[in-house]
Amino acid sequence: EVQLVESGGGLVQPGGSLRLSCAASGFTFSSYSMNWVRQAPGKGLEWVSYISSSSSTIYYADSVKGRFTISRDNAKNSLYLQMNSLRDEDTAVYYCARENFWSGVNLYYFDYWGQGTLVTVSS
Amino acid sequence: QSALTQPASVSGSPGQSITISCTGTSSDVGSYNLVSWYQQHPGKAPKLMIYEVSKRPSGVSNRFSGSKSGNTASLTISGLQAEDEADYYCCSYAGSSTYVVFGGGTKLTVL
Repeated sequence: EVQLVESGGGLVQPGGSLRLSCAASGFTFSSYSMNWVRQAPGKGLEWVSYISSSSSTIYYADSVKGRFTISRDNAKNSLYLQMNSLRDEDTAVYYCARENFWSGVNLYYFDYWGQGTLVTVSS
Repeated sequence: QSALTQPASVSGSPGQSITISCTGTSSDVGSYNLVSWYQQHPGKAPKLMIYEVSKRPSGVSNRFSGSKSGNTASLTISGLQAEDEADYYCCSYAGSSTYVVFGGGTKLTVL
């Protein structure tokens, strides 16, 4: 059974840092690209960042570029999101999501999601 | 990175059909058959319902169907059931510089 379990959320002051983790199990983690998607309270989904299976390709939403860093450790079946210079508007539930692929080609949809971890940025 | 446009809410009675639209641009929905739809119940993680415009993952009811015309994608739910009441989000690939973009979400109420 595919499982994605996020952790690391919490309350942080504006300007502070936080590192989120996502532990994957039930599939060959090293074969899949992964993403972070967030959802502000009462709001819609917002894509945050993408990392390819080998970490060779990384993308960020403009809203987090230069402040957030996505990474992964395939030996530990784990995905990370280092968040620096946090702002009030970064307050959200952060989900890690697996991106499906076929014959080595990304399919640009998310077939499994974690339960999310809440990040609250407030003084 | 503008969000795709969805109606804020739709409603229908049990047994009826509803359609949720998702309007993008020629840079996203109009250029790629890479639209997906997600269902989200309150306090839960999103669940994939449709991918590549009209394909259903294993285990998703065939009451859910997707289509696309030009810059607008649509999700149709037939034979509405109480359990379908949820928020629905569309998502489209938008090129390597933007990657993917979500719609603002539509709240479905089953009357």
